[in-house]
Amino acid sequence: DGGITQSPKYLFRKEGQNVTLSCEQNLNHDAMYWYRQDPGQGLRLIYYSQIVNDFQKGDIAEGYSVSREKKESFPLTVTSAQKNPTAFYLCASSLQGTRGYTFGSGTRLTVV
Amino acid sequence: SQELEQSPQSLIVQEGKNLTINCTSSKTLYGLYWYKQKYGEGLIFLMMLQKGGEEKSHEKITAKLDEKKQQSSLHITASQPSHAGIYLCGADMFPYGQNFVFGPGTRLSVLP
Repeated sequence: DGGITQSPKYLFRKEGQNVTLSCEQNLNHDAMYWYRQDPGQGLRLIYYSQIVNDFQKGDIAEGYSVSREKKESFPLTVTSAQKNPTAFYLCASSLQGTRGYTFGSGTRLTVV
Repeated sequence: SQELEQSPQSLIVQEGKNLTINCTSSKTLYGLYWYKQKYGEGLIFLMMLQKGGEEKSHEKITAKLDEKKQQSSLHITASQPSHAGIYLCGADMFPYGQNFVFGPGTRLSVLP
């Protein structure tokens, strides 16, 4: 079955460390997105990519980096420059030009 | 302030009761999407509305978009514990294609 897989489900990071969250989809979707979810604030867009080897900053890109070397994969790196990284991170994908996103099950990142 | 407002913020109902969740914007919406999220998981796409006055139903859930395309309601008939979760609206706003935003979500609990 086609879908979008995020790993790991839970991640703990020490302050000052970079950490990479994985997102893989086998839906043949062109576009992929990373969102951050905090209580009471809904989802905020970090980065998005509409084609391979191209990506754009979202509303809260500072302290994050991404790559899109393959259509299926869109990993997110949370760098030590991100001041408040503890959050629930959601990856999504969609066909080009549509908004009926398919979401992954999320990664909960905690800085200890 | 949020570009999309949702009300109520949270809702507790007895099983079998009807309920309505609202999503409101001060701007015209080009497309309004409803998603459901179970705690700690990804979002599941429910319905999409584009035309003013449009109404769609799926099982016991009905979504409407008003004529001005600035407000949408999600109505659940005869609620069940399986309806519990967080309901989020998302919308394409001007300028189209770049500015997709999510509401903060409404947390629904259904008591058996």
